[in-house]
Amino acid sequence: EPEVTQTPSHQVTQMGQEVILHCVPISNHLYFYWYRQILGQKVEFLVSFYNNEISEKSEIFDDQFSVERPDGSNFTLKIRSTKLEDSAMYFCASSATGLNTEAFFGQGTRLTVV
Amino acid sequence: AQSVTQLGSHVSVSEGALVLLRCNYSSSVPPYLFWYVQYPNQGLQLLLKYTSAATLVKGINGFEAEFKKSETSFHLTKPSAHMSDAAEYFCAVSISGSGGGADGLTFGKGTHLIIQP
Repeated sequence: EPEVTQTPSHQVTQMGQEVILHCVPISNHLYFYWYRQILGQKVEFLVSFYNNEISEKSEIFDDQFSVERPDGSNFTLKIRSTKLEDSAMYFCASSATGLNTEAFFGQGTRLTVV
Repeated sequence: AQSVTQLGSHVSVSEGALVLLRCNYSSSVPPYLFWYVQYPNQGLQLLLKYTSAATLVKGINGFEAEFKKSETSFHLTKPSAHMSDAAEYFCAVSISGSGGGADGLTFGKGTHLIIQP
């Protein structure tokens, strides 16, 4: 069964460093998403991506964040100059079409900023 | 803007008992509603979704949910709990008719379901 794959499963980084979180969406999907979940809090939407550009982003997704689809399979989230409060579980998701269709989620990357 | 409220961060039921997980939503336009489940160390898996067809929606693993517009609710139920149902459950909402593009989901805080033997 096709699945969304995220690497690494756990990333530890020092404050101020840049991190890149990797995702391989399901191969025939067209829409890609990043969400985050700070420990003990709700899952929050960060950004959606379609046709090689950002389709929608939340207030959380400021200039510190960027997304890229560098090739036909990968979808990355870059966080520049990480802060302690960036520590969270980051989920990647993909869907075949956009509006209100099922989004398939990866297992997440736990980012710890120290 | 839409929002979701899940009542009860933890719900404990006995094996074989009814499961009821509560979700209330707020949306300025007709919503699309989802329930996701997260098992330990795994990603989010869709249980079921409401997309303005039947108000009673059946999902996987024996779960179902009923959309009640008058109560702005979308509670998740299962007649008989099984030990394997122990997990985190998230209700989510997405607005409809936004004109295309990929709508992000707005999630509730989640409810941890505990099954007592």
